[in-house]
Amino acid sequence: GAGVSQSPSNKVTEKGKDVELRCDPISGHTALYWYRQSLGQGLEFLIYFQGNSAPDKSGLPSDRFSAERTGGSVSTLTIQRTQQEDSAVYLCASSLEGTGFYEQYFGPGTRLTVT
Amino acid sequence: GDSVTQMEGPVTLSEEAFLTINCTYTATGYPSLFWYVQYPGEGLQLLLKATKADDKGSNKGFEATYRKETTSFHLEKGSVQVSDSAVYFCALSDKFKAAGNKLTFGGGTRVLVKP
Repeated sequence: GAGVSQSPSNKVTEKGKDVELRCDPISGHTALYWYRQSLGQGLEFLIYFQGNSAPDKSGLPSDRFSAERTGGSVSTLTIQRTQQEDSAVYLCASSLEGTGFYEQYFGPGTRLTVT
Repeated sequence: GDSVTQMEGPVTLSEEAFLTINCTYTATGYPSLFWYVQYPGEGLQLLLKATKADDKGSNKGFEATYRKETTSFHLEKGSVQVSDSAVYFCALSDKFKAAGNKLTFGGGTRVLVKP
């Protein structure tokens, strides 16, 4: 079956511009996570959605970052007024959720370059 | 907060050599421990997991044992192949904390296996 997909695969933007990154999770997965992979910070958690609950935004690095998940499926991560330090690979993962362990399946990522 | 420390790479080995990647963690709760692998040009994949102390995770010839007394989860493989060349990430999650199964990652270890 289809895995997690992300678009675009690469994005180059100028400093100060806004960008939107999209994630299509695996159908039926109720949990969705965004992570960021950068040279300086490694792999770090950004935000978590579970069903209709309020998202956990504890990992967002600044208020320039926001995310939404429409209809419990597709998610969009928005970065406003991009800065060079936002350059990174943005990864999305989805999983079933409930009691016990549920594997997170990762998408291929979006490589963001801010010039 | 929770953290994961793993040995820095790159680790360069010859085919059929023994591989060990050290990983230690700091957590206040009862984390589950994971090794993820990122092959060149591919997304993150779960390699193996252990959900409680003394559990041994294994997959594709790799093994790791959850050692609570030493807060470690070292990855081992007895005879590596060129196809094992990848970046390996140690990670933990504590589902009893916020953000469900949010993963906290180590910095990653690049492994290069030469024929």
